[in-house]
Amino acid sequence: NAGVTQTPKFQVLKTGQSMTLQCAQDMNHEYMSWYRQDPGMGLRLIHYSVGAGITDQGEVPNGYNVSRSTTEDFPLRLLSAAPSQTSVYFCASGDRGRATNEKLFFGSGTQLSVL
Amino acid sequence: GQNIDQPTEMTATEGAIVQINCTYQTSGFNGLFWYQQHAGEAPTFLSYNVLDGLEEKGRFSSFLSRSKGYSYLLLKELQMKDSASYLCAVSSPSNSGYALNFGKGTSLLVTP
Repeated sequence: NAGVTQTPKFQVLKTGQSMTLQCAQDMNHEYMSWYRQDPGMGLRLIHYSVGAGITDQGEVPNGYNVSRSTTEDFPLRLLSAAPSQTSVYFCASGDRGRATNEKLFFGSGTQLSVL
Repeated sequence: GQNIDQPTEMTATEGAIVQINCTYQTSGFNGLFWYQQHAGEAPTFLSYNVLDGLEEKGRFSSFLSRSKGYSYLLLKELQMKDSASYLCAVSSPSNSGYALNFGKGTSLLVTP
């Protein structure tokens, strides 16, 4: 049972490069989200989606794009990487996108360094 | 806006009881979650409260007072493996449904 799969696990970028962090879930969850985690800052919500075709901004959306063309996939795009985007990124999914009491399942994280 | 506060660090002794507090001020409230995160790992779900009162689940209990914007996580019979970060998160209504925002987490160290 795969759950939430994030790739890659580690990535080093140069300033200005672009890349996509992949997230896929096999639990048929409607709700998917991206967080970044920095020392002393906790988990901060970047973007989220309550279902295919619907996305919304979280607390720190600038510099990131998302799309949700299928239920399973929710990629996070960095169009022009900056050193401030060095962080650990977590993807998370939950059941029933418009319900509020469903716990989130997290992927194993992507450690991104921007030089 | 969202404001979720927790103590940064706590230390407790193996076998003891520890209470981790969380206060919140959010625009709307749909429920409060507690997650555990061991170093280098992803967060995992511990508990959920939407009504006032205490929810008990084994050694872990979580309390909520919506009128006070306050919750706590109670860990009993502490074990060394309980050394981890404990994250308080609040679910709030949003344009498209709801969003889950986290506090900065409380790092708990359990000592022998």
